[in-house]
Amino acid sequence: EPEVTQTPSHQVTQMGQEVILRCVPISNHLYFYWYRQILGQKVEFLVSFYNNEISEKSEIFDDQFSVERPDGSNFTLKIRSTKLEDSAMYFCASSVKSVLTNEKLFFGSGTQLSVL
Amino acid sequence: DAKTTQPNSMESNEEEPVHLPCNHSTISGTDYIHWYRQLPSQGPEYVIHGLTSNVNNRMASLAIAEDRKSSTLILHRATLRDAAVYYCILRASNYQLIWGAGTKLIIKP
Repeated sequence: EPEVTQTPSHQVTQMGQEVILRCVPISNHLYFYWYRQILGQKVEFLVSFYNNEISEKSEIFDDQFSVERPDGSNFTLKIRSTKLEDSAMYFCASSVKSVLTNEKLFFGSGTQLSVL
Repeated sequence: DAKTTQPNSMESNEEEPVHLPCNHSTISGTDYIHWYRQLPSQGPEYVIHGLTSNVNNRMASLAIAEDRKSSTLILHRATLRDAAVYYCILRASNYQLIWGAGTKLIIKP
């Protein structure tokens, strides 16, 4: 079965550094998402992306965050200047249609980001 | 945001049915009920969703109360691989999925 792949599985960085988290969504999917989950807390929506632009973002997704689909297969999340509170598991997801039509999301296994 | 309430954890025996409850007393007429689960060290996985009628798929069944203020996810025959955190989520029109804390399901062999 096709799956969403995320790299790296673990990322350790120093506070203030830039990080890029990478995702390869399922090939025929058109909608892409980033979620995060701080240890022991709820899964939180960050951003959705369609047709090469952000379609929706949460309050968490401030100017320090950006997303990009640099080629036909990758979908990236960049954090420009990491803070301690950015430490979390980051999940990429994709879907054929928008989740707003109740389409199911397919999630990757996540990247555990640790900011020191 | 529409809110769901689930028990923190539940235990069940292997090969027995499991009924996972969810209360959503503030649900509105157009809110869909979604269930996802998260196995240990994995990303969330879609289970099922519905609006008013009960729904079945190969993974589970979703029973929705007539007044829609509660629903129950039914795993017909739990296996050890079903041990996970199960999330009941309401998706309102034009909103992304808003996740709750979920129920940690423990399966005893």
